[in-house]
Amino acid sequence: GDSVTQMEGPVTLSEEAFLTINCTYTATGYPSLFWYVQYPGEGLQLLLKATKADDKGSNKGFEATYRKETTSFHLEKGSVQVSDSAVYFCALSHGSSNTGKLIFGQGTTLQVKP
Amino acid sequence: GAVVSQHPSWVICKSGTSVKIECRSLDFQATTMFWYRQFPKQSLMLMATSNEGSKATYEQGVEKDKFLINHASLTLSTLTVTSAHPEDSSFYICSVPGTGELFFGEGSRLTVL
Repeated sequence: GDSVTQMEGPVTLSEEAFLTINCTYTATGYPSLFWYVQYPGEGLQLLLKATKADDKGSNKGFEATYRKETTSFHLEKGSVQVSDSAVYFCALSHGSSNTGKLIFGQGTTLQVKP
Repeated sequence: GAVVSQHPSWVICKSGTSVKIECRSLDFQATTMFWYRQFPKQSLMLMATSNEGSKATYEQGVEKDKFLINHASLTLSTLTVTSAHPEDSSFYICSVPGTGELFFGEGSRLTVL
């Protein structure tokens, strides 16, 4: 069945460092791919998405490119801030963006130190 | 502000008791809501789809008699963990479909002693 694998955390970086959180997936067909972020004490929020191969999702300085050849959707940010400290979830879906049938990775905790 | 609100955020109960978790949609009228479960260091897993005015749809392997879902109005769905046992300890999260994305509650952590 479909699955999503993320790099294990926690990832600890200094402010202004470059961030990469790896995400690979296994799926039939052409799923949509998502990154969600969960800040402390809050619900998951959609960070960015890509719905077809070679699409690049971007938001708040974060980017991820849908790579079908490597079945990956790695999250990157050029310069992280302390406020980026959160848990990041990679996910896929075969339906529309608001379908509940999301397959999530296990989440990666990012800690950014000043 | 929050689009989805869950209550309680934390709950501790004794084994054998039942616990109710509420999920409220604050900005949308939701004919459908989703309930997820997350174990430590594991993925969120979809448990069931809550349908307003009708029975919930459960994912394979989820006991419908253990996890009772009621969606009595367009803004409220409840998940009741019946006769809770320590293995039911987990993080339960609900979500509401909005325009082009899902909106998630902040989650409810259940600890069964």
